[in-house]
Amino acid sequence: DVKVTQSSRYLVKRTGEKVFLECVQDMDHENMFWYRQDPGLGLRLIYFSYDVKMKEKGDIPEGYSVSREKKERFSLILESASTNQTSMYLCASSWTGGNYGYTFGSGTRLTVV
Amino acid sequence: AQKITQTQPGMFVQEKEAVTLDCTYDTSDPSYGLFWYKQPSSGEMIFLIYQGSYDQQNATEGRYSLNFQKARKSANLVISASQLGDSAMYFCALQRAGSYQLTFGKGTKLSVIP
Repeated sequence: DVKVTQSSRYLVKRTGEKVFLECVQDMDHENMFWYRQDPGLGLRLIYFSYDVKMKEKGDIPEGYSVSREKKERFSLILESASTNQTSMYLCASSWTGGNYGYTFGSGTRLTVV
Repeated sequence: AQKITQTQPGMFVQEKEAVTLDCTYDTSDPSYGLFWYKQPSSGEMIFLIYQGSYDQQNATEGRYSLNFQKARKSANLVISASQLGDSAMYFCALQRAGSYQLTFGKGTKLSVIP
């Protein structure tokens, strides 16, 4: 069964910590995405990647960075976690071409205290 | 800029009844795609249905159909014969042709009543 796997379902981190959220897909998809989801705001795009070592800023990149050293893995990095980064983080991947949108991971609920 | 509007934060429907979830969009691109996703309480986003801007017929997938009105820029999701398992958040999303990004609406929480 093809899928997108996020390494942690729940995380609790302290303010100022460096946080890594990992995402791995086994579908050989070229494109990978990180969104955050907040009540009443829907999903907002943080960063995306079309290829290995390539990244593009989304709508809300401030306070985040990403890494894509291998095609199957896309990491989201919170350089210095803050309480306003408490959120649900969703990773997704897609093919280049085709009209079938994304395959999503199960999400990581991050709490920064 | 693209925008997706879902005006119903929450809705209730009786089991076995049909329900329509509203979605309007704003884009100046002639070619685009529209998606609906379901998010149960478990959190995973599940793809439901897709409509291309040039598709002549409204998309259907089992109990899901998309009421696409291009001139009105609306892409409403219709769920027929609602089931308790349909209780979830539903998101409408827009994709420009040639872009791999999806722009999401804020979602509608559907509750199915026994």
